Amino acid sequence: GDSVTQMEGPVTLSEEAFLTINCTYTATGYPSLFWYVQYPGEGLQLLLKATKADDKGSNKGFEATYRKETTSFHLEKGSVQVSDSAVYFCALRMNSGYSTLTFGKGTMLLVSP
Amino acid sequence: DAGVIQSPRHEVTEMGQEVTLRCKPISGHDYLFWYRQTMMRGLELLIYFNNNVPIDDSGMPEDRFSAKMPNASFSTLKIQPSEPRDSAVYFCASSPHRGADYGYTFGSGTRLTVV
Repeated sequence: GDSVTQMEGPVTLSEEAFLTINCTYTATGYPSLFWYVQYPGEGLQLLLKATKADDKGSNKGFEATYRKETTSFHLEKGSVQVSDSAVYFCALRMNSGYSTLTFGKGTMLLVSP
Repeated sequence: DAGVIQSPRHEVTEMGQEVTLRCKPISGHDYLFWYRQTMMRGLELLIYFNNNVPIDDSGMPEDRFSAKMPNASFSTLKIQPSEPRDSAVYFCASSPHRGADYGYTFGSGTRLTVV
């Protein structure tokens, strides 16, 4: 079945460091891809998405590019802040039938001053 | 738009008691999802509805769990009787349409503690 694999955390960075969180997927077709963020004590919030190959999603300084050839959707940010500390979830959704979001296990990011 | 509204935010109950969690989806969203999140198992999809009809409840862990959606603006998740292993954060989410372009909007969750 469809699946999403994320790098295990926690990822620990100093403020202003460059961030990459790896995400790869397995799917029988061409899904839409999403990154969600969960801040402590809150629900998941949509961070960005890409709906077709080579699309780049971006929001709040975060970016991810849909790479069909490597089945990847890595999340990047050029300069992280302490306020970016959260758990990040990669997810996919197929465009067929009653499709639901398939989530990765999440990657915790800890940013220190 | 007020977003997806869940109540209560926190619930502490004794083992064996009935627990009811509530959710109001975003108006116009015709998909509603119930998730459970724990440290051990991560995010688990319990059940989802389309136009108030349950589509897939294969994630409901046991017969003690039941969910209803009597109308487009309200859903409940009930646990009867509750057990300590049911302690988790329960999220409700809604989505417009079935298309892959659409993600979900999550509520803030209900943190359930069964003692």
